[in-house]
Amino acid sequence: EVQLVQSGAEVKKPGESLKISCKGSGYTFTSYYIGWVRQMPGKGLEWVGIVFPDDSHTRYGPSFEGQVTISVDKSISVAYLQWSSLKASDTAIYYCARALVYSSSWYGGYWGQGTLVTVSS
Amino acid sequence: QSVLTQPPSVSGAPGQRVTISCTGSSSNIGAGYDVHWYQQLPGTAPKLLIYDFNKRPSGVPDRFSGSRSGTSASLAITGLQAEDEADYYCQSSDSSLNGHYVFGSGTKVTVL
Repeated sequence: EVQLVQSGAEVKKPGESLKISCKGSGYTFTSYYIGWVRQMPGKGLEWVGIVFPDDSHTRYGPSFEGQVTISVDKSISVAYLQWSSLKASDTAIYYCARALVYSSSWYGGYWGQGTLVTVSS
Repeated sequence: QSVLTQPPSVSGAPGQRVTISCTGSSSNIGAGYDVHWYQQLPGTAPKLLIYDFNKRPSGVPDRFSGSRSGTSASLAITGLQAEDEADYYCQSSDSSLNGHYVFGSGTKVTVL
């Protein structure tokens, strides 16, 4: 059974750093793009970026380039999304997702449960 | 402002048919990029309803169907049920954004 399990909720102060994770199981982790999606409170879905675990190649959405870093440790089947200096506007639920079937592109066939990130002073 | 525009809301009585449009341009849907549709119930992660324009994952009722025409795509829900009340999003790629992925603005479906 394919599963994406994300790390737990975080409460941070502005300026702090953070790294959240998404662990894949039940499939060949290196064969599927992992994407990250942001959902701010009461708002829609926004594509943050993707990583291809086999070669760690990453791409970022225009609003997120330079604001976050996506990485992967394929030895333990985990993808990461990290911030070096959080802002209050980073408060959101962050989801990881991969395609349903093998694809050269990304879409959300399987989703993690989401990680709530709260940034408040 | 998303490059994929959806109506903020649509509504229908139980048993009716509703459609949700996803209007793009020649750089995304019109360029032939695949369109995918998601359903999000309150407090839950999105769920894939339709992928590659009109394919349904296993377990998704055939009441849900997808189509494309020119620079737009549509999701149709026939035989509307109370459990279909949720937010719906389309998703595609856009060549003007270096092939990055984009979501539609989202549509709230209300069952009257």
